[in-house]
Amino acid sequence: DQQVKQNSPSLSVQEGRISILNCDYTNSMFDYFLWYKKYPAEGPTFLISISSIKDKNEDGRFTVFLNKSAKHLSLHIVPSQPGDSAVYFCAASAWGAGGTSYGKLTFGQGTILTVHP
Amino acid sequence: GAGVSQTPSNKVTEKGKYVELRCDPISGHTALYWYRQSLGQGPEFLIYFQGTGAADDSGLPNDRFFAVRPEGSVSTLKIQRTERGDSAVYLCASSNLGRLEEQFFGPGTRLTVL
Repeated sequence: DQQVKQNSPSLSVQEGRISILNCDYTNSMFDYFLWYKKYPAEGPTFLISISSIKDKNEDGRFTVFLNKSAKHLSLHIVPSQPGDSAVYFCAASAWGAGGTSYGKLTFGQGTILTVHP
Repeated sequence: GAGVSQTPSNKVTEKGKYVELRCDPISGHTALYWYRQSLGQGPEFLIYFQGTGAADDSGLPNDRFFAVRPEGSVSTLKIQRTERGDSAVYLCASSNLGRLEEQFFGPGTRLTVL
């Protein structure tokens, strides 16, 4: 049962244009969402996050949007740069028993972003 | 550097053998996680340590998998009687108290079981 889904395996974008990566989730208990970026032969790197009490969070060229009613989030990269070419993972976490977040992450399958010069 | 390190970077073993994978977290990080990433998939949670104790081991697939963190720093993931289906990249991550989800990952150990 895939609780976090990234339905686009790959995305190709021209340098300077917007990249939009999408993610859907099914577990209503998820309350914190993150995007990680991964280069080959490296571990994932935290990029940006959003709490379920917000619908938007922005950090420089990166903006994450959350639509709780649709159980959907997206990552916008504007403008896209060739160095952004990587695999992007959407991840989610939920509060555990006793109101404690263990930080246990559920990841999507990833989307390969290629930004062409 | 001061990042998360994992050794070995690659491990090839034969079916039925025992392997140990090591993780050195960022100094001072009390939370440590193990994930497993199969080809074409995202990382899958295995186990979470807070200090020396395993706070959540619900992701370990079966009793062939075990992990320890005896002094609250370095952790070892141990796999007994390896099977071909155990082949994957094993990722370790560490985090500070505060926002545990914002984790720092190591480069992973690629395990191949022949």
